[in-house]
Amino acid sequence: DIQLTQSPSFLSASEGDRVTITCRASQGISSYLAWYQQKPGNAPKLLIYAASTLQSGVPSRFSGSGSGTEFTLTISSLQPEDFATYYCQQVNSYPWTFGQGTRVEIK
Amino acid sequence: QVQLQESGPGLVKPSETLSLTCAVSGDSIISYYWTWIRQPPGKGLEWIGYITHSGSTNYNPSLKSRVTISVDTSKKQFSLKLSSVTAADSAVYYCARVSWFPGSSYYYLDQWGQGTLVTVSS
Repeated sequence: DIQLTQSPSFLSASEGDRVTITCRASQGISSYLAWYQQKPGNAPKLLIYAASTLQSGVPSRFSGSGSGTEFTLTISSLQPEDFATYYCQQVNSYPWTFGQGTRVEIK
Repeated sequence: QVQLQESGPGLVKPSETLSLTCAVSGDSIISYYWTWIRQPPGKGLEWIGYITHSGSTNYNPSLKSRVTISVDTSKKQFSLKLSSVTAADSAVYYCARVSWFPGSSYYYLDQWGQGTLVTVSS
């Protein structure tokens, strides 16, 4: 199975901050990576797929980059509604796997 | 706007079979794959498997011996059965729609149900 390791696992930031979350794959996955946001008590919500394609309706302050084994999710200016847990997911090979999550909290 | 709704028992006894159904409304069930994901309380996400509209399946090997996913296109629903459950199977179970970038295998899960908590306990 392909392991995805997110860093950091926990992040404390202020409104307006630029935030970057990293997802590293245990082997190359080209651009077969998606990012999700999950708020407490809710289902995950798709933010980005194919490593850098913004899902329709997702604010442009979210962006994704990377290929191979290293990927980043960037929030250019953190908004109050962005405090949540973020997961990466690889769909390069089966079984599909998720990172362990990065919790973004208010400083 | 597509909506997915999970249903099924919230409590299952150890060694029994967990059965959940996901009803799809607002869109065709034919044009997508359909998947189940679970999340133990306070933990991360685990992919269980998916099914195509024609009934082809792909399961997580860690669960493959116990999992069956089926689809009923006439009822616009798909189902999950997980046999021989233990406490480790207690989780919120989500159904989701699998889409992909046209002409590629860049899959993504773009619509999710609200999730249903299943507890395994006697």
